[in-house]
Amino acid sequence: GAGVSQTPSNKVTEKGKYVELRCDPISGHTALYWYRQSLGQGPEFLIYFQGTGAADDSGLPNDRFFAVRPEGSVSTLKIQRTERGDSAVYLCASSPGLATDTQYFGPGTRLTVL
Amino acid sequence: AQTVTQSQPEMSVQEAETVTLSCTYDTSESDYYLFWYKQPPSRQMILVIRQEAYKQQNATENRFSVNFQKAAKSFSLKISDSQLGDAAMYFCAYRGPGGTSYGKLTFGQGTILTVHP
Repeated sequence: GAGVSQTPSNKVTEKGKYVELRCDPISGHTALYWYRQSLGQGPEFLIYFQGTGAADDSGLPNDRFFAVRPEGSVSTLKIQRTERGDSAVYLCASSPGLATDTQYFGPGTRLTVL
Repeated sequence: AQTVTQSQPEMSVQEAETVTLSCTYDTSESDYYLFWYKQPPSRQMILVIRQEAYKQQNATENRFSVNFQKAAKSFSLKISDSQLGDAAMYFCAYRGPGGTSYGKLTFGQGTILTVHP
């Protein structure tokens, strides 16, 4: 079946604008994760969902960042009033559920804030 | 808080040779999971190998094997018979036991592996 997909692949925006990044997990996967990867660094955890609810949002850097997963499948990461420091690759991953420990990653969205 | 350290920013190896990538971590937990992920220029993170801390036997996946030293909190990756397609950034990652941190992977800084023909 298809893997995790993310859209758009690249997003360029201006400082202060609002952006939405989309993640389509592997069909049937109940757990979904967002990470942020700055240039030359390892990914950093942002948030994870089990079903529709955010089970852990401790990695969200501030209240400009918000994520939803209203039907327990597709998730959207929303960033308000973007800043240049938000520029990074945003990675999404999914896993079948808490019973498994393997996360399958998408190709990421590269966000550039000018 | 858990931390993962990869002390080798870059490594290189000749095709068909063996290379070992180092990783150390810090945790107060006794049960956890460790992973090696590969990230080629396409950005897609690919799972290479995983290890459950309660298992004493080192995990192996074809040409990839680990040396898991729980007491030393060390988790190195050995790649045998290196191939050009192994060239990528490699990340070591830690995942804790159940509870609210269950879903969270903590990654190291990565090691860029170059394979010379």
